[in-house]
Amino acid sequence: QKEVEQNSGPLSVPEGAIASLNCTYSDRVSQSFFWYRQYSGKSPELIMSIYSNGDKEDGRFTAQLNKASQYVSLLIRDSQPSDSATYLCAVNRAGNNRKLIWGLGTSLAVNP
Amino acid sequence: GAVVSQHPSRVICKSGTSVKIECRSLDFQATTMFWYRQFPKQSLMLMATSNEGSKATYEQGVEKDKFLINHASLTLSTLTVTSAHPEDSSFYICSAIVSGGRQETQYFGPGTRLLVL
Repeated sequence: QKEVEQNSGPLSVPEGAIASLNCTYSDRVSQSFFWYRQYSGKSPELIMSIYSNGDKEDGRFTAQLNKASQYVSLLIRDSQPSDSATYLCAVNRAGNNRKLIWGLGTSLAVNP
Repeated sequence: GAVVSQHPSRVICKSGTSVKIECRSLDFQATTMFWYRQFPKQSLMLMATSNEGSKATYEQGVEKDKFLINHASLTLSTLTVTSAHPEDSSFYICSAIVSGGRQETQYFGPGTRLLVL
């Protein structure tokens, strides 16, 4: 079992729809959770961070964390073609030398 | 804030030469930076953790004598690919940690694309 798992996709949604990206992690002591967006040929860009159970909203993005079920999700409302990218989930756990554990990413395609 | 730069953005070199890549935190101090490598259509691979004032910590399978890391100041880490070969051609990306209380966040540089001929 991978430490951080994501569905590779591609996830295809029509423009204006809600895109839902999911991530599960195996280590219960994980403390910090991140979503990064990576466009093809570019470096990752931080979208959201979340540390506590529940929802965190920032514009069209909402991160949801459920530590009991060990999953974190990212919702993108009113999806735009410019949201088409690979979304990477990353997890940090205490005592891990500050390194992030990365999922392999979910490819999202928003169709006009 | 939290801007990380890399230089050069792109480099082409001959096989056997060495290439130095710089990673700078522009508006904050970073005691810890990370170096990643990413091959086309593959996931990020952590190469090493760069710690200011001390030796880098390399991930398993990464040759420390081939990928020299120096973190001489709180705003600069360098990665030198020594005796580069075509198989070293890749996208090299650095990141730096921004600390805010108990929470830390990694911000990435724009990456350096290396092509070894």
